[in-house]
Amino acid sequence: DADVTQTPRNRITKTGKRIMLECSQTKGHDRMYWYRQDPGLGLRLIYYSFDVKDINKGEISDGYSVSRQAQAKFSLSLESAIPNQTALYFCATGSGSTDTQYFGPGTRLTVL
Amino acid sequence: AQSVTQLGSHVSVSEGALVLLRCNYSSSVPPYLFWYVQYPNQGLQLLLKYTSAATLVKGINGFEAEFKKSETSFHLTKPSAHMSDAAEYFCAVSTGANNLFFGTGTRLTVIP
Repeated sequence: DADVTQTPRNRITKTGKRIMLECSQTKGHDRMYWYRQDPGLGLRLIYYSFDVKDINKGEISDGYSVSRQAQAKFSLSLESAIPNQTALYFCATGSGSTDTQYFGPGTRLTVL
Repeated sequence: AQSVTQLGSHVSVSEGALVLLRCNYSSSVPPYLFWYVQYPNQGLQLLLKYTSAATLVKGINGFEAEFKKSETSFHLTKPSAHMSDAAEYFCAVSTGANNLFFGTGTRLTVIP
């Protein structure tokens, strides 16, 4: 079984809809992250959490919110989706002092 | 502030030829450096990492990278390209403060 899972893997939605992307991990890591990937831009950090009571904004948090429901679960919400939020979204977990991160398989989101 | 520059968004090599993917970093403190690989329709997989031990780091699938402080570089190499190496490669830097900063990626094409 995968250590970091994301659901759904693909989602098509319409402008203005509320969307939640979910991430679960079995690695036992305290740190969890949400990134978006756009062609030519690499990965950009949306939000990150160092433990259940800790939530931090990343580089591009506007239009997004997160919830850390448990050590193993970290969800990303788009309250009112817009077309420029069409992207590939990755969840990652992290451990140790060297910042190594482990990625989920990604969610491809299309906002029409 | 930390940042990464990957020179060349696309690199093509012939099968059996040397692979060289370039990464230069900027960091105000001694960095940790990473290479990740992304195969089509998959998440990011850790290829190798430098964490202030040996400057020549060996990773999976025959890849290696050398940390050169004087050049602020961490280029990725493989002596002989294989068709299965076709993927997108990301360089990333951190400072031990629990966040990674990614480059924009280099797409490697291997020509038979």
